[in-house]
Amino acid sequence: DAGITQSPRHKVTETGTPVTLRCHQTENHRYMYWYRQDPGHGLRLIHYSYGVKDTDKGEVSDGYSVSRSKTEDFLLTLESATSSQTSVYFCATGGSLNTEAFFGQGTRLTVV
Amino acid sequence: SQQGEEDPQALSIQEGENATMNCSYKTSINNLQWYRQNSGRGLVHLILIRSNEREKHSGRLRVTLDTSKKSSSLLITASRAADTASYFCATDSEGAQKLVFGQGTRLTINP
Repeated sequence: DAGITQSPRHKVTETGTPVTLRCHQTENHRYMYWYRQDPGHGLRLIHYSYGVKDTDKGEVSDGYSVSRSKTEDFLLTLESATSSQTSVYFCATGGSLNTEAFFGQGTRLTVV
Repeated sequence: SQQGEEDPQALSIQEGENATMNCSYKTSINNLQWYRQNSGRGLVHLILIRSNEREKHSGRLRVTLDTSKKSSSLLITASRAADTASYFCATDSEGAQKLVFGQGTRLTINP
């Protein structure tokens, strides 16, 4: 299995608090992605990165920010968590757009 | 809105039958991929087909791509109970460095 680790795996937080999810890879992949998965919506892209310090918004980026200061780490931050951000978050990495992506095991976030 | 849309949203068949899932997308692509997700787990890559390919096989999987219709299909032959999972198509988008997924098809294989 590709070396992709998400942390934490589970988190419960209160509305209005900041939350940071971490994705760590040991594959030296150029591309990294953050998705959220909700029933009826499949996987929706939040933000993605195509290199160190190179990031861009996906389709559901409002309320989220990301940082990638080194190849192996991609951080997703919820500046002020809301109940609508309760979801399962997946990180994925890929060496290029023409090869497969590898997924982490997911982080289940509950905002109460 | 999402790039890929799978059809049907849910499919239930008997073990041994073939399962066909479809994916439609909106913009020009370089390649299309299919992934599988077992309940509560991360997605696992199944197969990638490039925009200049029309058909590709991998074991019991057969993928077709019709770029003129912006659609793809995934056929699983001789289904097994272990094939029960959700299946997603994913596309890049020409000019954009991202990978976008559809809503998925939930496949149930009944013993």
